[in-house]
Amino acid sequence: KQEVTQIPAALSVPEGENLVLNCSFTDSAIYNLQWFRQDPGKGLTSLLLIQSSQREQTSGRLNASLDKSSGRSTLYIAASQPGDSATYLCAAGSVNAGNMLTFGGGTRLMVKP
Amino acid sequence: DAGVIQSPRHEVTEMGQEVTLRCKPISGHNSLFWYRQTMMRGLELLIYFNNNVPIDDSGMPEDRFSAKMPNASFSTLKIQPSEPRDSAVYFCASSLGNSGNTIYFGEGSWLTVV
Repeated sequence: KQEVTQIPAALSVPEGENLVLNCSFTDSAIYNLQWFRQDPGKGLTSLLLIQSSQREQTSGRLNASLDKSSGRSTLYIAASQPGDSATYLCAAGSVNAGNMLTFGGGTRLMVKP
Repeated sequence: DAGVIQSPRHEVTEMGQEVTLRCKPISGHNSLFWYRQTMMRGLELLIYFNNNVPIDDSGMPEDRFSAKMPNASFSTLKIQPSEPRDSAVYFCASSLGNSGNTIYFGEGSWLTVV
């Protein structure tokens, strides 16, 4: 059974810092890994999707990498802004689980002005 | 597109009452998911439909929970009878295709059972 872990659970940084959020998964047989953002009281918004054949994806100030062999993914946020404050969740789509995603517990990010 | 639409957004009900949550997926999407989110357990998949057919309901916690998808544009999640431990945010999500595509979430239904 796939298990996804995110470290740290919470992070507080001053505005302008570059930061890295970590995600690890136990079953390397994945077809993709997705990063989501969740604002308080809202649903999840997809940020980046990395297919299993890819090593990274970039969107603006966000860059996500994937290392299947080590069971890890990282989300890099450049020049953080207060508007980046939210909970970030990663989810692994396992080959053995059809189209279902297994989510990590999330990292709650606070960017202070 | 309006995105995934869920109703009600908030519901407070008494223990023992029936609760019905509704979802309209994005038009054209053929996969639909119901998730439950709590502080203790995080985000859990309850059930997954593909082309209106339930594919995996192993996440449905008990027989008190049931889900239906009578057509491609509508799904319901029903809890009968409801219990205080069912209090959570219930998310519906949809995607196109069988695997590997972005999943789009609704805003969630916030359920409180007192």
